[in-house]
Amino acid sequence: AQTVTQSQPEMSVQEAETVTLSCTYDTSESDYYLFWYKQPPSRQMILVIRQEAYKQQNATENRFSVNFQKAAKSFSLKISDSQLGDAAMYFCAYVASDYKLSFGAGTTVTVRA
Amino acid sequence: EPEVTQTPSHQVTQMGQEVILRCVPISNHLYFYWYRQILGQKVEFLVSFYNNEISEKSEIFDDQFSVERPDGSNFTLKIRSTKLEDSAMYFCALTGRDSYEQYFGPGTRLTVT
Repeated sequence: AQTVTQSQPEMSVQEAETVTLSCTYDTSESDYYLFWYKQPPSRQMILVIRQEAYKQQNATENRFSVNFQKAAKSFSLKISDSQLGDAAMYFCAYVASDYKLSFGAGTTVTVRA
Repeated sequence: EPEVTQTPSHQVTQMGQEVILRCVPISNHLYFYWYRQILGQKVEFLVSFYNNEISEKSEIFDDQFSVERPDGSNFTLKIRSTKLEDSAMYFCALTGRDSYEQYFGPGTRLTVT
């Protein structure tokens, strides 16, 4: 079974600053996808960014970018120029050929004004 | 990004009662998923449903659970005899650009008393 580990239960960042959330995963698959989801207090799950394992280039979506280290099985999320609306729980997720998303335990991000 | 709604947004039921949670995609989809999130815990895969059949299910998805697509559009999750530990957020999800990318509905909060 695939496991996804988020070792930071909580992170705090000053508005306009940068915060990096870590995620590691364990898999024997060669073809898989990784995602970061954002869950605000409404509890909606919002897809933030995706990374295909076969791509070497790190994905970027506006202020969100990832650092994908395939050999190390590491997939961190960087939030640049943090905004108050970024405050939420962030989940790292993995999926492979069975199409079942496996999630980490989540990291709560607090943004200080 | 596919749109999906879920009804009801919040359901309160007594232990032992049956509940039906509904997922309504805006456009036609073949692949559906149900996940649940117990408060304060990670999101867990329950079942995937492809072309009107169960494709995969987790160990959580026991005989108390069933899924259907009763009218070709709505997608339902039924819990036959609810238990206190069934209290959770239940999310349905649809695939996006490809079969790996999943977009979540707003969720149904189930409270079993």
